[in-house]
Amino acid sequence: KAGVTQTPRYLIKTRGQQVTLSCSPISGHRSVSWYQQTPGQGLQFLFEYFSETQRNKGNFPGRFSGRQFSNSRSEMNVSTLELGDSALYLCASSTSGDQPQHFGDGTRLSIL
Amino acid sequence: AQSVTQLDSQVPVFEEAPVELRCNYSSSVSVYLFWYVQYPNQGLQLLLKYLSGSTLVKGINGFEAEFNKSQTSFHLRKPSVHISDTAEYFCAALPTSNTGKLIFGQGTTLQVKP
Repeated sequence: KAGVTQTPRYLIKTRGQQVTLSCSPISGHRSVSWYQQTPGQGLQFLFEYFSETQRNKGNFPGRFSGRQFSNSRSEMNVSTLELGDSALYLCASSTSGDQPQHFGDGTRLSIL
Repeated sequence: AQSVTQLDSQVPVFEEAPVELRCNYSSSVSVYLFWYVQYPNQGLQLLLKYLSGSTLVKGINGFEAEFNKSQTSFHLRKPSVHISDTAEYFCAALPTSNTGKLIFGQGTTLQVKP
């Protein structure tokens, strides 16, 4: 069974630009959660999608948004990038929001 | 609100020695508990989980953890570590109310020395 796939693995952007990250969950998993990992703040929850609906959201500004498609694939978008958005963005999938989550290898976003 | 505290940021240990990584949680609701491991330039790999039942749970790579409700702890143990166990370990709590939101501790770096 294929694991969670995140693309791209690395991204370099400049301040003010926007970026879209993609996540393909494990087949059959309908819940997709996104996390931001930084050395200073650790792992922080961004949002969770289930059956194309955002069910839960963390404490991030509105510049961070996401969506989920009918095949459970999910995308995360960050607009008006800031230097502090440099981080490893991790996607995780599970059968439902109360089951163990399985993570992808992440997208490392660097803002210049 | 929920929170997870990992009591040690770094744990150095010699190869073949036993190790314990400590985790305490605080929650006003029921939670499931997990340990994840992260190797450099990789995502998180699930080591083990406590959902219900026996308080001693066994995971992959010879790791085990014990859920202690009265002490609100979920410490990770391994009787004999290998160099390859060098990595960062995260304790996490997931509310059982189907939120999809894992709450992580700050992580513990396990450094296994030859």
